[in-house]
Amino acid sequence: NAGVMQNPRHLVRRRGQEARLRCSPMKGHSHVYWYRQLPEEGLKFMVYLQKENIIDESGMPKERFSAEFPKEGPSILRIQQVVRGDSAAYFCASSLNSAATGELFFGEGSRLTVL
Amino acid sequence: GNSVTQMEGPVTLSEEAFLTINCTYTATGYPSLFWYVQYPGEGLQLLLKATKADDKGSNKGFEATYRKETTSFHLEKGSVQVSDSAVYFCALSDMNNQGGKLIFGQGTELSVKP
Repeated sequence: NAGVMQNPRHLVRRRGQEARLRCSPMKGHSHVYWYRQLPEEGLKFMVYLQKENIIDESGMPKERFSAEFPKEGPSILRIQQVVRGDSAAYFCASSLNSAATGELFFGEGSRLTVL
Repeated sequence: GNSVTQMEGPVTLSEEAFLTINCTYTATGYPSLFWYVQYPGEGLQLLLKATKADDKGSNKGFEATYRKETTSFHLEKGSVQVSDSAVYFCALSDMNNQGGKLIFGQGTELSVKP
């Protein structure tokens, strides 16, 4: 499968625990985007990364959330000390070029439930 | 800032009915406009796009025209099928010094009944 791969598909955490969501972009894509979809809401941009660089993190909450896209391996979205309000579907997307000029390819999402 | 507003759902139609999902946007400059579709349990897929004013994007019987004068990009289909049941998202490209990203509307759920 050459598509965007996200794992885990479902993750359950208790309040205060850490959540790590992984995303492997499509082969050859170096642009990665993370979006959050809260229940009954649309997709909210979180962060845009290229290899080893955070390009735009204007949508990331100031605390507890971080993202990386290392030279080797998948992109990671990390949520520390999760709270119930973090329960959502987190989608990763990748593109060959900047999203404004090309198509975004989305993964199937990681659904986080915080108990 | 840039934003996208879609008509609220859910929209329920009978098979072969005509579909319109309204989308308007606010943006500086000349963004590209997109419609994405999300089937149950899946990620989003690009449905169609338009990159400049008066362009018409089309795919799978769906079409949308980039209207700069009304800042709109309404999605239409002449005859919907049950398999079109999904959530539809309108989006625009948001370019800044940091590159580009897509800004999405809140999504409109479409349910087509046989």
